[in-house]
Amino acid sequence: DSGVTQTPKHLITATGQRVTLRCSPRSGDLSVYWYQQSLDQGLQFLIQYYNGEERAKGNILERFSAQQFPDLHSELNLSSLELGDSALYFCASSFQYFSYEQYFGPGTRLTVT
Amino acid sequence: TQLLEQSPQFLSIQEGENLTVYCNSSSVFSSLQWYRQEPGEGPVLLVTVVTGGEVKKLKRLTFQFGDARKDSSLHITAAQPGDTGLYLCAGGDNQGGKLIFGQGTELSVKP
Repeated sequence: DSGVTQTPKHLITATGQRVTLRCSPRSGDLSVYWYQQSLDQGLQFLIQYYNGEERAKGNILERFSAQQFPDLHSELNLSSLELGDSALYFCASSFQYFSYEQYFGPGTRLTVT
Repeated sequence: TQLLEQSPQFLSIQEGENLTVYCNSSSVFSSLQWYRQEPGEGPVLLVTVVTGGEVKKLKRLTFQFGDARKDSSLHITAAQPGDTGLYLCAGGDNQGGKLIFGQGTELSVKP
């Protein structure tokens, strides 16, 4: 158990819908990272927040957005969902802003039908 | 763009055999991480290598960072069925904590 929690574990929704994925980092960690894992693209970095502020951005679609709240939990919002958005979404956390030793949550499996 | 290439992509071996997984790049990384992921779960950090030429051991797993910090290898001695999983190498992109992942090596160890 990494100490990172993600909800929900599974999510099934229809195209065009909007969903919110939630992540609570390890106790004391200030950085939260979001990654997408699909069979064809592998693990891809989406976005990083540190202590409430966006710090790094990957190839995150404009339909996707994230935020980190004062209690340090984070939410990833996915809108206008397409079939190709079906994937595993992982949240990771670390104490420092610039740390490559990241601790991953169990993930949310999103299925868009 | 920094890329990490892992080989082999798939590896199926018998219990007790040794194996090596490679992670290569044309770019220099300040550090490389190795993760292991089981189906339906998140990646678990195994080790970080920082210094060129560094060797780290974790029980039957030996990790090496290339002298030029462009490549790394993972060697497993006397593999066991419990070693089965997806092994991922990752390196930092120098943009905050953005990690670039290799495509992974799917290891299956049969009893």
